[in-house]
Amino acid sequence: RKEVEQDPGPFNVPEGATVAFNCTYSNSASQSFFWYRQDCRKEPKLLMSVYSSGNEDGRFTAQLNRASQYISLLIRDSKLSDSATYLCVVNIRNFGNEKLTFGTGTRLTIIP
Amino acid sequence: NAGVMQNPRHLVRRRGQEARLRCSPMKGHSHVYWYRQLPEEGLKFMVYLQKENIIDESGMPKERFSAEFPKEGPSILRIQQVVRGDSAAYFCASSPSFRGSQPQHFGDGTRLSIL
Repeated sequence: RKEVEQDPGPFNVPEGATVAFNCTYSNSASQSFFWYRQDCRKEPKLLMSVYSSGNEDGRFTAQLNRASQYISLLIRDSKLSDSATYLCVVNIRNFGNEKLTFGTGTRLTIIP
Repeated sequence: NAGVMQNPRHLVRRRGQEARLRCSPMKGHSHVYWYRQLPEEGLKFMVYLQKENIIDESGMPKERFSAEFPKEGPSILRIQQVVRGDSAAYFCASSPSFRGSQPQHFGDGTRLSIL
């Protein structure tokens, strides 16, 4: 089983629609959670951290369910500029070291 | 306030040659991470270094790959005797501390092509 698994995608969504991505992680010792965004042939960029209480940043809402080991990202009123690959990222502690583990990403295309 | 700087942006090598990828972390960051992204795949952790120390190299292939982060100068990812399968984007990231909760800031990456 992969340490971090995401919806396979791709998601093709009309502009203005709401889209949700899901992610599950296997290591219950995971401590920190993030969503990153990666544009084609570019570096990943932090979109938002994910907190246990859930958090919102403009049109983006992230949720964490520790009991189910599940993370989600909701994008409302989607824009053309939201087209990108969204990476679910988990900080996993391994033999005393902590490192970020990335999901394979979900590709989103917003259609005009 | 420069971000993470990687060079070169693009590197072309023939099979059997050596590839050297360089990464200068953000100012004030002493922790460097290298990732590899194969075409159409996610980022895979390779190695985590602090100055003069390799902390975690669990993602590094056992042969041909090595990394260093000297006291002075950038971190270097070195690939000896490159093969076609080494073609990928190599990203470097840095953070100010060892805690994984600190988001890592990525460089633009080096795209390695093996002829």
